[in-house]
Amino acid sequence: DAGITQSPRHKVTETGTPVTLRCHQTENHRYMYWYRQDPGHGLRLIHYSYGVKDTDKGEVSDGYSVSRSKTEDFLLTLESATSSQTSVYFCAISPRGTEPTDTQYFGPGTRLTVL
Amino acid sequence: KNEVEQSPQNLTAQEGEFITINCSYSVGISALHWLQQHPGGGIVSLFMLSSGKKKHGRLIATINIQEKHSSLHITASHPRDSAVYICAVKVTNDMRFGAGTRLTVKP
Repeated sequence: DAGITQSPRHKVTETGTPVTLRCHQTENHRYMYWYRQDPGHGLRLIHYSYGVKDTDKGEVSDGYSVSRSKTEDFLLTLESATSSQTSVYFCAISPRGTEPTDTQYFGPGTRLTVL
Repeated sequence: KNEVEQSPQNLTAQEGEFITINCSYSVGISALHWLQQHPGGGIVSLFMLSSGKKKHGRLIATINIQEKHSSLHITASHPRDSAVYICAVKVTNDMRFGAGTRLTVKP
């Protein structure tokens, strides 16, 4: 397994509360990604990072923010959680990002439920 | 319409059967990936293709760039192959994913 961990693995929270999910890697890969996975949809990109303090929006970024102050950590924050953000969140890393042949390695996922 | 479409959505097979999962895409790509998501949720990469065919054990993946289509074949299927198989295409800085095909192989 690529050295990727996510925390927490499960979380139940209430609407309107802030939530932060953490992705930690030990591979020193440059690129890190946050996806959400919902029934009937493929994985959808929320935000990604191509280096420390370098981030960009993905397909479904509304309601989410990210930060990357160290190579190994990529944080996803829901400023005010809503029920529509109930999902399974996956972090992924890749060494080269823009290279066509680059492979992404996925974390174990975080199941978030917003009541 | 999704940029990456997979078929079928669900597939049930008997052990030993030959399995085919299809992926069609509508965008220009630099590579196509097949991923496997285990029942416990973990996602692993099976293949990366930019042309032709690749084989790994009982798994074979093909791609036709002109037709924007890829197939994943499993020969002599086994219950341990039960998983969700996901097609993903590489588009500049990110990847676009199909919704997945849930395969169940019965003994």
